[in-house]
Amino acid sequence: GDSVTQMEGPVTLSEEAFLTINCTYTATGYPSLFWYVQYPGEGLQLLLKATKADDKGSNKGFEATYRKETTSFHLEKGSVQVSDSAVYFCALSVRGGGNKLTFGTGTQLKVEL
Amino acid sequence: EADIYQTPRYLVIGTGKKITLECSQTMGHDKMYWYQQDPGMELHLIHYSYGVNSTEKGDLSSESTVSRIRTEHFPLTLESARPSHTSQYLCASSEFRTGREANTGELFFGEGSRLTVL
Repeated sequence: GDSVTQMEGPVTLSEEAFLTINCTYTATGYPSLFWYVQYPGEGLQLLLKATKADDKGSNKGFEATYRKETTSFHLEKGSVQVSDSAVYFCALSVRGGGNKLTFGTGTQLKVEL
Repeated sequence: EADIYQTPRYLVIGTGKKITLECSQTMGHDKMYWYQQDPGMELHLIHYSYGVNSTEKGDLSSESTVSRIRTEHFPLTLESARPSHTSQYLCASSEFRTGREANTGELFFGEGSRLTVL
């Protein structure tokens, strides 16, 4: 079946540090890939997405590139801020799967001054 | 901005009570979902719906039930709450598209309902 594996957290960084959160996937079809973010006390919101190989999704300084050869979609940001503290979920959706998302377990990020 | 609302945000209730978690969206989306989020943050799909009068079980078995009588409402009901039902429940919606460009995957989430059963 389809699955997503994320690096475990929590991840604690100092402000302005470089962020990488690893995400790899297995899928029976050709998936679209997503990063969702959950701020404290809130629901999830879409951060970025990529629908085909070599696509790069980007938003709010975050980037992730769809790597079919390594089945990966790692999230990166060059300089994190305290306001980036949240839980980040990698997810996939397979065409023909009716918009059902398969989520990773989530990675908690804490950014300190 | 997403327009999907969940009530109540927080509920503490005793064992054996019947509870209904409400979810409403004003975006006209056909597809709606309920996810259960455990304390370890992991999300599990427990119910989804393609439209009015359509309901399906998700990947995680749940004792809850859902109904979809109107496009905008997708309530979740527990007939007899137990401590094992303590969790956060997240409702979401999306457009439902068929064809090659289907599955854009953008789900719009409510803020969640945190249920505690004593």
